[in-house]
Amino acid sequence: EADIYQTPRYLVIGTGKKITLECSQTMGHDKMYWYQQDPGMELHLIHYSYGVNSTEKGDLSSESTVSRIRTEHFPLTLESARPSHTSQYLCASSEGLGGQNIQYFGAGTRLSVL
Amino acid sequence: RKEVEQDPGPFNVPEGATVAFNCTYSNSASQSFFWYRQDCRKEPKLLMSVYSSGNEDGRFTAQLNRASQYISLLIRDSKLSDSATYLCVVIGPEVTNKLIFGTGTLLAVQP
Repeated sequence: EADIYQTPRYLVIGTGKKITLECSQTMGHDKMYWYQQDPGMELHLIHYSYGVNSTEKGDLSSESTVSRIRTEHFPLTLESARPSHTSQYLCASSEGLGGQNIQYFGAGTRLSVL
Repeated sequence: RKEVEQDPGPFNVPEGATVAFNCTYSNSASQSFFWYRQDCRKEPKLLMSVYSSGNEDGRFTAQLNRASQYISLLIRDSKLSDSATYLCVVIGPEVTNKLIFGTGTLLAVQP
């Protein structure tokens, strides 16, 4: 089993609030990712990081921001939550390249913005 | 056109049946290929990598056809516990080495 943890698992919050979704991994992986997935839909990459102080935007535009100050920690922040941000957010990490680029996922955070 | 395309299903099959899923990808320079499994309201987990020579893991067989740009997953002797969404995943040629996920194919194995 992969050691990657996300908190909270579920979050219901009002519009305009600032929120931070936590993601931590204990495997020492350099690469970490955030995906957004709506029910029954595909995963969309919104942010990724290839190491400390490295962050890039993914394929799907997102109003969220991320930081990577420590290898094991990759939090995602929404400065002002809106109902359109309601979704599941999945964090993943990996170590290798190409065929070895196996991503391990956290259990996800289900966010509902009222 | 999506980079990775799958039939969303659902595939409803009886226990013991053999079922096959296909997935097509658009970029001929794609490097690596995987099948992930995602249970309802859970995170995706790696099922198996897909190699050019084809590979088998118990009841599961994966094949890659680079000429036609598709990969397949065959499940023999389906179990109720095989019910899940199967995600086709491709790594493109870019140096970023990002994974590109298909929308997934839903399999429902019936008793």
